Amino acid sequence: DAGVTQSPTHLIKTRGQHVTLRCSPISGHKSVSWYQQVLGQGPQFIFQYYEKEERGRGNFPDRFSARQFPNYSSELNVNALLLGDSALYLCASSWDRGGTGELFFGEGSRLTVL
Amino acid sequence: SQQGEEDPQALSIQEGENATMNCSYKTSINNLQWYRQNSGRGLVHLILIRSNEREKHSGRLRVTLDTSKKSSSLLITASRAADTASYFCATVLGRFGNEKLTFGTGTRLTIIP
Repeated sequence: DAGVTQSPTHLIKTRGQHVTLRCSPISGHKSVSWYQQVLGQGPQFIFQYYEKEERGRGNFPDRFSARQFPNYSSELNVNALLLGDSALYLCASSWDRGGTGELFFGEGSRLTVL
Repeated sequence: SQQGEEDPQALSIQEGENATMNCSYKTSINNLQWYRQNSGRGLVHLILIRSNEREKHSGRLRVTLDTSKKSSSLLITASRAADTASYFCATVLGRFGNEKLTFGTGTRLTIIP
């Protein structure tokens, strides 16, 4: 079975631009989460979606938004890009096993803002 | 913000030796998980320990949890060159559908062949 897939893998934007990152979860996984990892730090939680509803939001500005589609894939949008948005953006999916289990991560989208 | 700290930040050992990494956290948890990350790529889940467990094993991995001290340790026995990676602990408070993971700062492990 395919793992979590993310696109694009790398992209370069300039300050003020907009970016859309895409994620396809593992088949059967209905929960998708987004994390931002700045170089040298651990990942930080941005959003979680379950059954197309936002279930959690981290401490990120309103420039960050996301949505989940009926097929459980997800998009992360970032408007008005800043240099500090340069990071590895990780998508993860999970499934209900009757309790909180592990997350399955994609390889990430590396965003560079110039 | 990060939940806690991993200690040490970096660790270099000879192949075959054991590697121990520690993690401290700040709030109550449902479970604690360890992940591995190779060269800034995706994270791979290693092991999960629930708040009512004290020790868990998986292959060459042994994890302990002390909720009174809000700390956990990961032991990798008989290390291999392929174990070279960054290791992160992550705490979880919520249930499925609301399982925000709060990661630590990571330990960069280097295995010297």
